[in-house]
Amino acid sequence: EPEVTQTPSHQVTQMGQEVILRCVPISNHLYFYWYRQILGQKVEFLVSFYNNEISEKSEIFDDQFSVERPDGSNFTLKIRSTKLEDSAMYFCASRGTSGRTDTQYFGPGTRLTVL
Amino acid sequence: AQSVTQLDSQVPVFEEAPVELRCNYSSSVSVYLFWYVQYPNQGLQLLLKYLSGSTLVKGINGFEAEFNKSQTSFHLRKPSVHISDTAEYFCAVSDWGAQKLVFGQGTRLTINP
Repeated sequence: EPEVTQTPSHQVTQMGQEVILRCVPISNHLYFYWYRQILGQKVEFLVSFYNNEISEKSEIFDDQFSVERPDGSNFTLKIRSTKLEDSAMYFCASRGTSGRTDTQYFGPGTRLTVL
Repeated sequence: AQSVTQLDSQVPVFEEAPVELRCNYSSSVSVYLFWYVQYPNQGLQLLLKYLSGSTLVKGINGFEAEFNKSQTSFHLRKPSVHISDTAEYFCAVSDWGAQKLVFGQGTRLTINP
């Protein structure tokens, strides 16, 4: 069964460094998402992406964040200058094309630790 | 804007006992409702979803949920749980126009032998 994959599973970085989190969505999906979950808190929407542009973003998704689909298979989330409060589990999700009722399929997540 | 409240952060139950995980939502528009499960060290997996039609929805692993519009609830139930049901369960909502999911805080289900 097709699945969403994410790399790395765990990333440790120093405050102020740039990180890139990678996701490979399900191959025939066209809608892509990033969510994050700070330890002990709820899963929060960050951004949705369709047709090579952002379709919606949350207040969390400020100028330090960016997303890209560089090669037609990967979907990346970049944090330019990480802060301690960026430490969280980051989930990628993708969705098919049959209208808005399609299910979002989630990857296993990348745990980001900012020191 | 939507919001989701999962009233119980932890629910311990004995194996083979029934369980109900509660979820209430708030929205000014019509919504789609979802339950996701997260097993240890894994991603979020869809258990079931309510889009329209019958208010009783059946999902995987013997779970079901009932949409109650008047009470704005979408409680998850299983008549007899198994050790393998130990996981975190998340209720989520999206409105008909939006793509994003709004999640509740999660409920950790612990099954005792």
